[in-house]
Amino acid sequence: SQQGEEDPQALSIQEGENATMNCSYKTSINNLQWYRQNSGRGLVHLILIRSNEREKHSGRLRVTLDTSKKSSSLLITASRAADTASYFCGTGANSKLTFGKGITLSVRP
Amino acid sequence: GAVVSQHPSRVICKSGTSVKIECRSLDFQATTMFWYRQFPKQSLMLMATSNEGSKATYEQGVEKDKFLINHASLTLSTLTVTSAHPEDSSFYICSARERTINEKLFFGSGTQLSVL
Repeated sequence: SQQGEEDPQALSIQEGENATMNCSYKTSINNLQWYRQNSGRGLVHLILIRSNEREKHSGRLRVTLDTSKKSSSLLITASRAADTASYFCGTGANSKLTFGKGITLSVRP
Repeated sequence: GAVVSQHPSRVICKSGTSVKIECRSLDFQATTMFWYRQFPKQSLMLMATSNEGSKATYEQGVEKDKFLINHASLTLSTLTVTSAHPEDSSFYICSARERTINEKLFFGSGTQLSVL
């Protein structure tokens, strides 16, 4: 069953700006992962944060996790047109990963 | 990095026929593979989890006789949509978990199934 829920559903920004995407979930998790999907393609893993971690960085990506609020955010800094894609948060529990509906990010050149 | 190959990328079939989709891990051994289904602009819905050499575990509401999953080896899982109907038209994506990297998933590029 679907657990994570991302917001906003769609985000349009200018190249160079930062993009912040949020994810909320309902039940306990072992980890939370963010993935990216280009239209008509599979998902590509971006970053994983474990339930005992609060913040992680990877290049231009920064992810936070607040287990008390059951929420996570993904920040993409200095966005590029090539960042245009759909972004999904996947919540990991019981060896399975379930996804929300995703966020469509458009970065205008 | 780990690569998952999914074939075919697109298939069109007549109603009533069966379609097989293959998912292969090319450079790693996949202890577990997952099959997802995605409708346009929607989430990925987990259909089933398959472990090598054992029966697949299906999510609630997914017909196991309709969607046959076989995970015969550590590098290959197949999904067969039997007696396909137009409502089975969807984007199907497989993913695999490596034996040693036990949390991150590697995804295939998906299969767009259109049933006429």
